Amino acid sequence: AQKITQTQPGMFVQEKEAVTLDCTYDTSDPSYGLFWYKQPSSGEMIFLIYQGSYDQQNATEGRYSLNFQKARKSANLVISASQLGDSAMYFCAMSSKAAGNKLTFGGGTRVLVKP
Amino acid sequence: EAQVTQNPRYLITVTGKKLTVTCSQNMNHEYMSWYRQDPGLGLRQIYYSMNVEVTDKGDVPEGYKVSRKEKRNFPLILESPSPNQTSLYFCASTTWGRKNNEQFFGPGTRLTVL
Repeated sequence: AQKITQTQPGMFVQEKEAVTLDCTYDTSDPSYGLFWYKQPSSGEMIFLIYQGSYDQQNATEGRYSLNFQKARKSANLVISASQLGDSAMYFCAMSSKAAGNKLTFGGGTRVLVKP
Repeated sequence: EAQVTQNPRYLITVTGKKLTVTCSQNMNHEYMSWYRQDPGLGLRQIYYSMNVEVTDKGDVPEGYKVSRKEKRNFPLILESPSPNQTSLYFCASTTWGRKNNEQFFGPGTRLTVL
């Protein structure tokens, strides 16, 4: 079975500063993918970034980067230069072939950006 | 524009009255799934479908049915809704590949069962 853990229920960050959201995972499948999604107050799920288990480099997408530490089974999301519009709920998720490519989500971290 | 659509977006109904939430995607994806989101529990998969006529249970399938008669459509059926099915529902679709593993989510359906 695969499992995702997000230990930070909520956090504040000052505008223009960077913030790191923690995510640890557990799976016995050597082939898996890690995702981060943003859910603003409007409710939609917005895909941010993806990291494959065999990818050699950490994924980056604009102001988002994924700090992938395979040995520690962690996939932390780093948001650089926070903006007010980054205030939202953030979910870490994973999928694996062994789990039928099902996405398993963590409990989420609520981020509030202060002006 | 690549998208997943769900209807209705909001629904208030009463216990026992059958309802269907539709989901449609225009990306020719094989894999589609339904999730429910509840406070403190995150998103949990209800059912998924690997392709036409191939469906399987997710983590919380009780009280739900699905069908996949066409590749683009994956409706969620509540035969006899109960108040514990009050939730925010998401449909998602994806195609699995080396680089392109994004799951596209629909806008969500907020269901209240009285």
